[in-house]
Amino acid sequence: KAGVTQTPRYLIKTRGQQVTLSCSPISGHRSVSWYQQTPGQGLQFLFEYFSETQRNKGNFPGRFSGRQFSNSRSEMNVSTLELGDSALYLCASSSTGLISYEQYFGPGTRLTVT
Amino acid sequence: AQSVTQPDIHITVSEGASLELRCNYSYGATPYLFWYVQSPGQGLQLLLKYFSGDTLVQGIKGFEAEFKRSQSSFNLRKPSVHWSDAAEYFCAVGAGNTPLVFGKGTRLSVIA
Repeated sequence: KAGVTQTPRYLIKTRGQQVTLSCSPISGHRSVSWYQQTPGQGLQFLFEYFSETQRNKGNFPGRFSGRQFSNSRSEMNVSTLELGDSALYLCASSSTGLISYEQYFGPGTRLTVT
Repeated sequence: AQSVTQPDIHITVSEGASLELRCNYSYGATPYLFWYVQSPGQGLQLLLKYFSGDTLVQGIKGFEAEFKRSQSSFNLRKPSVHWSDAAEYFCAVGAGNTPLVFGKGTRLSVIA
């Protein structure tokens, strides 16, 4: 079975721009979660989608949004980028309906905002 | 609110030596507990998990962890460390439909 894939792997954007990141979960997995990882804050939960519905949301501003498609693929969007948005964005999928069951992570998208 | 503490930011061990990484959690209910490993530039890989039952759980790559409810701990151990174990290790806790909460991580260096 193919693992979680994320595209692109690396991205450089300018402050004020917007960006869209994509995540394809493991086949059959319906739950997709997004995390932001930075050296200072560590791993922080952004949001989780299950069957195209946002089921959980972390404490991030509204500039961060996401969606899930009927094939469980998910995208996250960050508008009006700030320097502090530079981070590794990780996507994780889960096979069960419970988010906290074991999650499988993708390799991440490294976003650099200049 | 739930929280996870990994007291050691960085640990250095010699190859072949034993390893113990500490994890303490604060959670209102009986949590699910996880250890993940992250190599540089990579995503997180699940090492092992505890849901219920036997408090000593075995994982991949020769790792094990012991859940101690009285100490709110879930320490990760390995009897003999290999150079390839050098990475960052994250403890995480969650339950049901609540998002996982991760510790800040412990970076493991392995010296010859």
